[in-house]
Amino acid sequence: KQEVTQIPAALSVPEGENLVLNCSFTDSAIYNLQWFRQDPGKGLTSLLLIQSSQREQTSGRLNASLDKSSGRSTLYIAASQPGDSATYLCAVNSTTDSWGKLQFGAGTQVVVTP
Amino acid sequence: DADVTQTPRNRITKTGKRIMLECSQTKGHDRMYWYRQDPGLGLRLIYYSFDVKDINKGEISDGYSVSRQAQAKFSLSLESAIPNQTALYFCATSFQGPMSTGELFFGEGSRLTVL
Repeated sequence: KQEVTQIPAALSVPEGENLVLNCSFTDSAIYNLQWFRQDPGKGLTSLLLIQSSQREQTSGRLNASLDKSSGRSTLYIAASQPGDSATYLCAVNSTTDSWGKLQFGAGTQVVVTP
Repeated sequence: DADVTQTPRNRITKTGKRIMLECSQTKGHDRMYWYRQDPGLGLRLIYYSFDVKDINKGEISDGYSVSRQAQAKFSLSLESAIPNQTALYFCATSFQGPMSTGELFFGEGSRLTVL
């Protein structure tokens, strides 16, 4: 069974510093990996989706990399801002599951201090 | 307006009561999902539906039932609520097709407290 781990569970950085968030998974047979952002009292906002055949995806200050062979993905957020404070979740769609069934990590709670 | 709408957003109920959480979407997606989030455990899949006539159990379906009334509507029921069903519930959608990436789109969540 696919297991997804996010370490650390919480992270605090000063404004302007780059954020590095880690996600690891146990089974490299995946369709894709998604990164989400969750704000308190709000739903999940999709940030980036990396297909199995891709090595990275970029959107603005966000860059996500994928290394299937080592079972890792990293989300980089450049020049962090207080508005980046949120919980970040990664989720994997394994090929042993139906298309669209995701296994989630528990998330990394990020605080960016002014 | 949100593309994926959940009602109610917050609900407090008592043990043994029947509860229904509703989800509607305007994205035109064929696939809908119900997830549950507990602190420190991430999200876990309860039920999913690939079309109106296709309902499937997820990882933690015991104590729950669902109904897909139309392509745009997917409701989750707790027949007899118990305290360990206190959680944040999310509905999500996706579509299957040549241009699909598998991306899921989530509602804003329904917080349920069972006393």
